[in-house]
Amino acid sequence: NAGVTQTPKFQVLKTGQSMTLQCAQDMNHNSMYWYRQDPGMGLRLIYYSASEGTTDKGEVPNGYNVSRLNKREFSLRLESAAPSQTSVYFCASSEIGGDQETQYFGPGTRLLVL
Amino acid sequence: AQSVTQLGSHVSVSEGALVLLRCNYSSSVPPYLFWYVQYPNQGLQLLLKYTSAATLVKGINGFEAEFKKSETSFHLTKPSAHMSDAAEYFCAVTNNTGGFKTIFGAGTRLFVKA
Repeated sequence: NAGVTQTPKFQVLKTGQSMTLQCAQDMNHNSMYWYRQDPGMGLRLIYYSASEGTTDKGEVPNGYNVSRLNKREFSLRLESAAPSQTSVYFCASSEIGGDQETQYFGPGTRLLVL
Repeated sequence: AQSVTQLGSHVSVSEGALVLLRCNYSSSVPPYLFWYVQYPNQGLQLLLKYTSAATLVKGINGFEAEFKKSETSFHLTKPSAHMSDAAEYFCAVTNNTGGFKTIFGAGTRLFVKA
């Protein structure tokens, strides 16, 4: 099993450009998450999807949109990138019931917005 | 509202010495508490978790943490540090009352000196 995969690993954008970060999990998990990680701030939740067909805002949703394409895939879109969105982005997934509280993380996407 | 405070953004220990990483939480309902570890250029992975069973929780790689309700703490310890323990450690809290939102601390970077 690959676990949680993210593409791309690195990306450089110019201000105003758009891009989509892709995430997929092969653990049959119901819940998926997008976080951003900035120095000294830990991880902050951008959006999450508790189950297929639902999405909800997290702590820092402004400037982002998400799509839960199916149970496996959860994408994050930046419509008009800004330098403040320079960060490392992590996708995660978790199951409902039993081990639901544990989140499994992808390797991250490093984004630089110039 | 939930919150997590990790005391010390950097901790340095000698190889073989005790590791103590501090975490205090705030939650209005019984919490679930986690420690995650992040090695360079990787995503987070679960070290251990407390989910209202035993208050002393043992995790991977010789780490353990004790839930102390009276002190609202969940400190992470390891009796003898190894060079391979050098990483960033995140404490996290969730109360699972809907939305599966996990709040992460700012992280503590552990340095291990030879």
